[in-house]
Amino acid sequence: ETGVTQTPRHLVMGMTNKKSLKCEQHLGHNAMYWYKQSAKKPLELMFVYSLEERVENNSVPSRFSPECPNSSHLFLHLHTLQPEDSALYLCASSRYRGQDVPYEQYFGPGTRLTVT
Amino acid sequence: GQNIDQPTEMTATEGAIVQINCTYQTSGFNGLFWYQQHAGEAPTFLSYNVLDGLEEKGRFSSFLSRSKGYSYLLLKELQMKDSASYLCAVRDRRMDSNYQLIWGAGTKLIIKP
Repeated sequence: ETGVTQTPRHLVMGMTNKKSLKCEQHLGHNAMYWYKQSAKKPLELMFVYSLEERVENNSVPSRFSPECPNSSHLFLHLHTLQPEDSALYLCASSRYRGQDVPYEQYFGPGTRLTVT
Repeated sequence: GQNIDQPTEMTATEGAIVQINCTYQTSGFNGLFWYQQHAGEAPTFLSYNVLDGLEEKGRFSSFLSRSKGYSYLLLKELQMKDSASYLCAVRDRRMDSNYQLIWGAGTKLIIKP
């Protein structure tokens, strides 16, 4: 397996369900990201884990909960979601060596989430 | 504030050339990325510009003018497989997080035979 993988690729869940999205990167990177992509809107950064540090977008609702057990794995735990949370959830990874050293992000194929 | 503008959709003909523009407003510009995203697939990195000028990579070139807050992606000898969305993203060193990019909404490029 190479690159960034995500499972499941598609998920339909009710508002009372609890589910988790999984991301794994095989690139030796030290930063991982969760993005939300809605139709015709810019990518929205939800969470970042890098070098033991977690950074989050303060506008993300608490019904989204990330977990990063190690530098290769990232989870997004979902509970009591709303229909407006339906979107494509993308995981990405990159190297990180400080603010002035930009590295491109490598994305997974995404999980298409539908909340009914 | 911070903002990125790019056209929502463009149409071009196979074999032709197309230019996709991106304008941005940031207070601490620190580089601009272009990504390609085919429908239902992951965005993939195309180019990075931090200094003014043109960067060429095969059929794709990216240009940056920092004084004008402007970039473009130039695609030559268009092929049907170039039909995709093209995302512009800017790093701003004044953002709270070192990792955050400001993303445009993307330009959907449709290639016709």
